[in-house]
Amino acid sequence: AQKITQTQPGMFVQEKEAVTLDCTYDTSDPSYGLFWYKQPSSGEMIFLIYQGSYDQQNATEGRYSLNFQKARKSANLVISASQLGDSAMYFCAMREPRGGSTLGRLYFGRGTQLTVWP
Amino acid sequence: NAGVTQTPKFQVLKTGQSMTLQCAQDMNHNSMYWYRQDPGMGLRLIYYSASEGTTDKGEVPNGYNVSRLNKREFSLRLESAAPSQTSVYFCASSEAHGGANGYTFGSGTRLTVV
Repeated sequence: AQKITQTQPGMFVQEKEAVTLDCTYDTSDPSYGLFWYKQPSSGEMIFLIYQGSYDQQNATEGRYSLNFQKARKSANLVISASQLGDSAMYFCAMREPRGGSTLGRLYFGRGTQLTVWP
Repeated sequence: NAGVTQTPKFQVLKTGQSMTLQCAQDMNHNSMYWYRQDPGMGLRLIYYSASEGTTDKGEVPNGYNVSRLNKREFSLRLESAAPSQTSVYFCASSEAHGGANGYTFGSGTRLTVV
């Protein structure tokens, strides 16, 4: 079963508008972490934001915020005031301990291609 | 700049050839990882290493071997390349628990097997 599900293969948003990228996750472990990464056309993976499973407040980093709904196992990324440079592939990922080890393996979703138009 | 360095950036192999992808990090991280990225599949874990001298299989280990040479270096070897191994390969590192500081990725190796 997929541990991370991103149901939007592609999203379009006009510059300066806000956009939400969906992510749901599946784990039975109470301790996990959720990440969002940006991958522009140049290919590098850029870390955007992190939410720990025990964090009470939603994470924010500049124009990025993570809408964490624990009961629904949802970790949507909200980008406010979109810019042309936000056009990229966005990946949601989850880290969980395995078998008592806190090695920290990351599981990725299949990504959402965001296009920002002027 | 501090970070994760992968070499080479591009490689074309013939079916059956072997090669080693190199990865080095200078952040004193304990954990290192190899992922492959295929279109529409996201990143999938091939192998990982929790610390120097230890390695373990990830989701898609078949056809690969790894070596954690020391704390800095983690190499990925294809003994007999197959077209199905055409992919973009990413090395990453993290602190032991991969917490809020996240993971640092290399810039990737684009491998084509013909």
